[in-house]
Amino acid sequence: QKEVEQDPGPLSVPEGAIVSLNCTYSNSAFQYFMWYRQYSRKGPELLMYTYSSGNKEDGRFTAQVDKSSKYISLFIRDSQPSDSATYLCAMSGGYSGGGADGLTFGKGTHLIIQP
Amino acid sequence: DVKVTQSSRYLVKRTGEKVFLECVQDMDHENMFWYRQDPGLGLRLIYFSYDVKMKEKGDIPEGYSVSREKKERFSLILESASTNQTSMYLCASRTVRTGGLPYNSPLHFGNGTRLTVT
Repeated sequence: QKEVEQDPGPLSVPEGAIVSLNCTYSNSAFQYFMWYRQYSRKGPELLMYTYSSGNKEDGRFTAQVDKSSKYISLFIRDSQPSDSATYLCAMSGGYSGGGADGLTFGKGTHLIIQP
Repeated sequence: DVKVTQSSRYLVKRTGEKVFLECVQDMDHENMFWYRQDPGLGLRLIYFSYDVKMKEKGDIPEGYSVSREKKERFSLILESASTNQTSMYLCASRTVRTGGLPYNSPLHFGNGTRLTVT
């Protein structure tokens, strides 16, 4: 079983829709959760960084963590064509979680917002 | 804002060449990393460095080496480039000064170097 599962997509939605991106994980030691946005031919850009369970909001973006279900989500409200990118989840739990860098990445979901 | 700069966006090299990929960060971060990213395989850690002159192997170090002589600069070296090293290479850095364990700090990435080996 992979430590982090993320649907690769592509996920195609019309402009203005609410987008839900998700990752599931198996390691209960994960406590820190990140979402990165990666445009084509660019490096990943940190979008959201959260600790433990609960919600965090930043503009049109909301990150949600449900540790009991080992499930994290990123919601994008009023989606725009400029949101079209690949979204990577990442998580860490200190020395007991993740690889040599302490992080485990999902493989990314490719999101397309249709004008 | 943290800035991680990779010296080349695109590189084309021949099989057997020695290749240097350079990365500079401007935020005095202790930790620096090199990843490669391939379709369907995601991000894979090649090498990382806790601090100056320190280095540790990641998950796929074979065929690569690194150098960190100054805190802000981390170089990835392909000793003898091969076609299976054609990939997107990403450098990243993070601080350990936010308290707690360093693994809790998020990574900040550069824009990548697309390397093609022919």
